[in-house]
Amino acid sequence: AQSVTQLGSHVSVSEGALVLLRCNYSSSVPPYLFWYVQYPNQGLQLLLKYTTGATLVKGINGFEAEFKKSETSFHLTKPSAHMSDAAEYFCAVSLGGGYNKLIFGAGTRLAVHP
Amino acid sequence: GAVVSQHPSWVICKSGTSVKIECRSLDFQATTMFWYRQFPKQSLMLMATSNEGSKATYEQGVEKDKFLINHASLTLSTLTVTSAHPEDSSFYICSAPTGTSSYEQYFGPGTRLTVT
Repeated sequence: AQSVTQLGSHVSVSEGALVLLRCNYSSSVPPYLFWYVQYPNQGLQLLLKYTTGATLVKGINGFEAEFKKSETSFHLTKPSAHMSDAAEYFCAVSLGGGYNKLIFGAGTRLAVHP
Repeated sequence: GAVVSQHPSWVICKSGTSVKIECRSLDFQATTMFWYRQFPKQSLMLMATSNEGSKATYEQGVEKDKFLINHASLTLSTLTVTSAHPEDSSFYICSAPTGTSSYEQYFGPGTRLTVT
């Protein structure tokens, strides 16, 4: 069975500081991994995804994530936080192919303070 | 990118009534759509997979007779909450994979349901 664990339900950083949101997964087959962002009362927006190939993936808004199979991790980073990055972030895993369901982590709320 | 819309964006209904939520893929066809439920400050929980032209597949613990799903066309899936109760109040989100990059899903903006 697949599962996703996001360490830290709340993360707070200063504007300009490094953002690190942690995600570990469990999957019996090579996973497809995703990070989504959700702003209040809105749907989810895809930040980035890993399917195959290069393990360091770059997404929108300056975010990137690295797939580390040995650590079963897919942590999300951004070198310099902006106030507009404050939102809820979800890591998700699927078996592969968009027709398979996504399993979401519990989410991490990112706060950015001046 | 692909666009998924939901209607209504928010709805208030009285206990015991039924509410229909629509999910549309605006610029692509979707043979499959997914319905999620999200409680405040919690993650998304998959409720069911909507399949065009056939019955929906429900996740364990989701009441089929309470959450009716119809996928009548390649661009429209509907979720009907029947005999709604206050505990059904939640944020309902749909998603659809596109045909070009089938490992990507596009999410609707969500529907806030409040049952009084």
